[in-house]
Amino acid sequence: QVQLVQSGAEVKKPGASAKVSCKASEDTSISQYMHWVRQAPGQGLEWMGLINPSGGATYYTQKFQGRVTLTRDTPTNTIYMELSSLRSEDTAVYFCVQGGPYSGNYYWGQGTLVSVSS
Amino acid sequence: NFMLTQPHSVSESPGKTVTISCTRSSGSIANTYVQWYKQRPGSAPTTIIYEDNKRPSGVPDRLSGSVDSSSNSASLTISGLKTEDEADYYCQSYDNRFQGVFGGGTRLTVL
Repeated sequence: QVQLVQSGAEVKKPGASAKVSCKASEDTSISQYMHWVRQAPGQGLEWMGLINPSGGATYYTQKFQGRVTLTRDTPTNTIYMELSSLRSEDTAVYFCVQGGPYSGNYYWGQGTLVSVSS
Repeated sequence: NFMLTQPHSVSESPGKTVTISCTRSSGSIANTYVQWYKQRPGSAPTTIIYEDNKRPSGVPDRLSGSVDSSSNSASLTISGLKTEDEADYYCQSYDNRFQGVFGGGTRLTVL
């Protein structure tokens, strides 16, 4: 069973950066594509981007280009999402998701709340 | 880019069948696979349908997914409704550069 464990909640000031980690369990490889999705309070799901762990190629939705960076650390089976120049509208729960995009099932992390407030 | 449009809410009685639609605004619904996710309040989403109509292990066969090219839409059908089916449901697909797109979500109420 794929298990993805994300880092804990963060509180940030506007203009700061947040870096959220997503660690796959020891019996889970991060060789599949990893996506990041966010959900603002009371809102729907919003796709941010994905990373191909094999080689590190990344694809970001236009809305987040220039502000989001996805990286991976293969030895520790961990994927990172860093969002810079934070503003209050970035307050949301951020999820990592493993799977796809060409085929296969999708597995979700438990989510990480990032709160942006002065 | 395209949009995926879902009804904001649906409601039905226990034991009945409900279908949630997901209509693609441009480009063919058949271009890339459609996934469906279920989310209960305060919890992370879980995958209930992937690759248009496949169920992950543990998802009951009362849930099914389909794609209809004539209406350019995907559908999630839940039969034999149970109170545990009450949740938000999201469809998701990709554009031709594999950027993800989500539908706005449908709140299912089991009366």
